[in-house]
Amino acid sequence: AQKVTQAQTEISVVEKEDVTLDCVYETRDTTYYLFWYKQPPSGELVFLIRRNSFDEQNEISGRYSWNFQKSTSSFNFTITASQVVDSAVYFCALSEALTGANNLFFGTGTRLTVIP
Amino acid sequence: GAGVSQSPRYKVAKRGQDVALRCDPISGHVSLFWYQQALGQGPEFLTYFQNEAQLDKSGLPSDRFFAERPEGSVSTLKIQRTQQEDSAVYLCASSLNGRSSTDTQYFGPGTRLTVL
Repeated sequence: AQKVTQAQTEISVVEKEDVTLDCVYETRDTTYYLFWYKQPPSGELVFLIRRNSFDEQNEISGRYSWNFQKSTSSFNFTITASQVVDSAVYFCALSEALTGANNLFFGTGTRLTVIP
Repeated sequence: GAGVSQSPRYKVAKRGQDVALRCDPISGHVSLFWYQQALGQGPEFLTYFQNEAQLDKSGLPSDRFFAERPEGSVSTLKIQRTQQEDSAVYLCASSLNGRSSTDTQYFGPGTRLTVL
């Protein structure tokens, strides 16, 4: 069965610190996609990144970077030099290409608070 | 429109009332999804449309929940005889293509339903 685990419920950091949000997934599918979404207080889920299971290259986008490790079934997200605007709930999600499921499976989210 | 829109943003209903929640997907997007997000949890899948066809309703929690997308664009999620356990944020998402498991889903701001 598919599952996404975000063990960190809440994290607080001081502005300008780096922070890593952990995501561990389970799937029997050989082809799958991993996502990160940001949910600010306004409630809308904002898409950040999508990776497919065949591409293990790490990715950097500005202050954001993602580390995909298939061997440990992890897809961790690092924010460098955090800012107050990064405060939000972050969700990791999984979709499976071959099982026929049409939806995203979400973790329970990590609430990040950046203290000025 | 530029993004997914949902209305109303907030809805308060008395137990037993029927409610209707509306979703306007991104123009041209084939796939449309509804998710339910309980407080402190990640979104959970309710149902999926490809154009006007409802291809997956496996996540609908009871027969009190009904969704439609008659013209393949706007969708309505209807909850009949609301119960307190229906209180949640209802999120709508759309994606460009019909192969939903491989596409990025873009979310609306959600409708927060409170059942008294």
